[in-house]
Amino acid sequence: AQSVAQPEDQVNVAEGNPLTVKCTYSVSGNPYLFWYVQYPNRGLQFLLKYITGDNLVKGSYGFEAEFNKSQTSFHLKKPSALVSDSALYFCAVRDSSGTYKYIFGTGTRLKVLA
Amino acid sequence: DAMVIQNPRYQVTQFGKPVTLSCSQTLNHNVMYWYQQKSSQAPKLLFHYYDKDFNNEADTPDNFQSRRPNTSFCFLDIRSPGLGDAAMYLCATSRDKRDEQYFGPGTRLTVT
Repeated sequence: AQSVAQPEDQVNVAEGNPLTVKCTYSVSGNPYLFWYVQYPNRGLQFLLKYITGDNLVKGSYGFEAEFNKSQTSFHLKKPSALVSDSALYFCAVRDSSGTYKYIFGTGTRLKVLA
Repeated sequence: DAMVIQNPRYQVTQFGKPVTLSCSQTLNHNVMYWYQQKSSQAPKLLFHYYDKDFNNEADTPDNFQSRRPNTSFCFLDIRSPGLGDAAMYLCATSRDKRDEQYFGPGTRLTVT
């Protein structure tokens, strides 16, 4: 069965420090992986995706993610966190075998401290 | 420029009183989705349209219906809202089923 795990409910980081939000997945075929961010009382905003190609994917707002096939992980990273990055982050996976549905992780709340 | 628009942003309805939420898109995407999201949980897919083809999730209650009269618009009808239907309802679109989804700002539904 397909699944996505975001092991941390909350991540705290000081402004200016690097941040990592973790995601691991399990799919039957090749994974399509996505990260979304949600600000309070807003919809989800697409940040980046991995379909194929380079393992390091660059996305919006300075975020990037590294696909690691052996560890089945797709961690979201940013070199220098901003207070405005504080939000709820969702990882999602879809397999390439025909299923179109996203499997969402449970979300990680990122809090960047000034 | 807003690409996925949801109206209203906030909706209050009474227990059992039908309510309709609307979504429109300027992206000309083929696929439109409706999600229910409660208390910062992951969004739960209710149904989606691929063009005019309607696809209902197996666990979506019969109380929830949807209409897509044209490419740009999609509606969510809740025939008899219960207290448990209070949630944020998110509309999303994608060019194709395999592409990233673009979400609207959501409609927060309160049931009194």
